[in-house]
Amino acid sequence: AAGVIQSPRHLIKEKRETATLKCYPIPRHDTVYWYQQGPGQDPQFLISFYEKMQSDKGSIPDRFSAQQFSDYHSELNMSSLELGDSALYFCASSLFDPGDTDTQYFGPGTRLTVL
Amino acid sequence: GNSVTQMEGPVTLSEEAFLTINCTYTATGYPSLFWYVQYPGEGLQLLLKATKADDKGSNKGFEATYRKETTSFHLEKGSVQVSDSAVYFCALTDAISNFGNEKLTFGTGTRLTIIP
Repeated sequence: AAGVIQSPRHLIKEKRETATLKCYPIPRHDTVYWYQQGPGQDPQFLISFYEKMQSDKGSIPDRFSAQQFSDYHSELNMSSLELGDSALYFCASSLFDPGDTDTQYFGPGTRLTVL
Repeated sequence: GNSVTQMEGPVTLSEEAFLTINCTYTATGYPSLFWYVQYPGEGLQLLLKATKADDKGSNKGFEATYRKETTSFHLEKGSVQVSDSAVYFCALTDAISNFGNEKLTFGTGTRLTIIP
C-alpha cells in the first residue's frame, strides 16, 4: 500500500538560510499534519490542513509557514533557520471521517540539520 | 490541556519476557488512544489504537485496553522478541466535538531493548 512520502529525507542548511520540506499524503487522504521531533524528544504538533485550509496550529514559529495544495500535498517553509530548528520533521496524513477517529499515518521524516 | 504520561525508560528485558509499558492520560473531550512505535532511524508506525472506553487494541502480539476509570492505556506483550526493540510512544487525540482532524499529543516515549 502507498505510504506518506516526504522529501528530502535529509537536509543540511546554514543558519539564517531557508528550507522547504514536502509531504505527499496517502492517496485519497485529505488531511495533513506536521510534527517536529527534537533529539530524544517526543513529536510536537506544528500545524495541520484539511481540504487545503489550515485546521489547527500548534507550537509553530512565526518563521515557519505551510500550505496544502490542490493535489493535497503540503509544504513546510522554514526561514531564518536557527540551530534549534535541527530536528526530525514528520508529516502524517489521514482521511476525515465524521464521527470517527482519523488514524494518522506517518511518513519517514525529513532530518534537518542546521549548521 | 491534554497530556500523556508514559513510563520512564529505558526498559531492558530478556527475550520471551513479559512486557508492560504504562501510559496514563489527561483529556477534556472524547480521547482516542494510540500506541506508535519508532524503530531506529525510521518514522512512526501505528501499532494499535482504541477509540472508546473498554476497547482493546491489538497487533503483532501487543495489546492495550482503554480504561476510562483509571485514565490508562498500558501496553502489554506476553513474550517479547529482539525485533521488538524500539521506542514506543503513547498518544491521544481529543476530539472535543467528536470530529476528526485532531492533532496527536504524545508521551515522552519509552525506549525498549530486548536482549537475546
